[in-house]
Amino acid sequence: AQSVTQPDIHITVSEGASLELRCNYSYGATPYLFWYVQSPGQGLQLLLKYFSGDTLVQGIKGFEAEFKRSQSSFNLRKPSVHWSDAAEYFCAVASASGSARQLTFGSGTQLTVLP
Amino acid sequence: SQTIHQWPATLVQPVGSPLSLECTVEGTSNPNLYWYRQAAGRGLQLLFYSVGIGQISSEVPQNLSASRPQDRQFILSSKKLLLSDSGFYLCAWGQQGPGYTFGSGTRLTVV
Repeated sequence: AQSVTQPDIHITVSEGASLELRCNYSYGATPYLFWYVQSPGQGLQLLLKYFSGDTLVQGIKGFEAEFKRSQSSFNLRKPSVHWSDAAEYFCAVASASGSARQLTFGSGTQLTVLP
Repeated sequence: SQTIHQWPATLVQPVGSPLSLECTVEGTSNPNLYWYRQAAGRGLQLLFYSVGIGQISSEVPQNLSASRPQDRQFILSSKKLLLSDSGFYLCAWGQQGPGYTFGSGTRLTVV
């Protein structure tokens, strides 16, 4: 069965600093990988996704993520964090089998941005 | 374009009362539909999903049920709410490719 681990429950960074959120997955084949962001009291918004091809994917709001098969990781990065980036971030993995039971989410990483 | 609507946004209900949360999708047909719950300090838990009208798959045995009376309508219900049913409920839809689009959620507080 597929699984996702986000080892950092909470991360605090200063505005303008760089950011990396970690995500490790477990899946037997090439996975589909996603990062979602959730602002307080809101639904989840898709930041970016990886299906195949270039292992460095660009997303919205200046985020990017790199798929590293050897490390089973899909870490999210941003070179300079803005105060509006404070939110909870979820990594997710989907099987390529086309099953409706698709996405498995990590437990999330709460990001706090200091002024 | 496709949109997903979820209501109400906030709900406070007494223990033992019934529940009905509604989710509708526009601009698409035959979507896969999902209900998730997010309890305080916890991740996303898949409750139910549906691949078509009247077809419901339950992921976690609990006090809740789901129904899909129409192609683009997904309803989450309970006959008698428990305190432990409090949480943030999210509806989502997906289709051929993997990945979902989420609604804005319903904050349920059972008192």
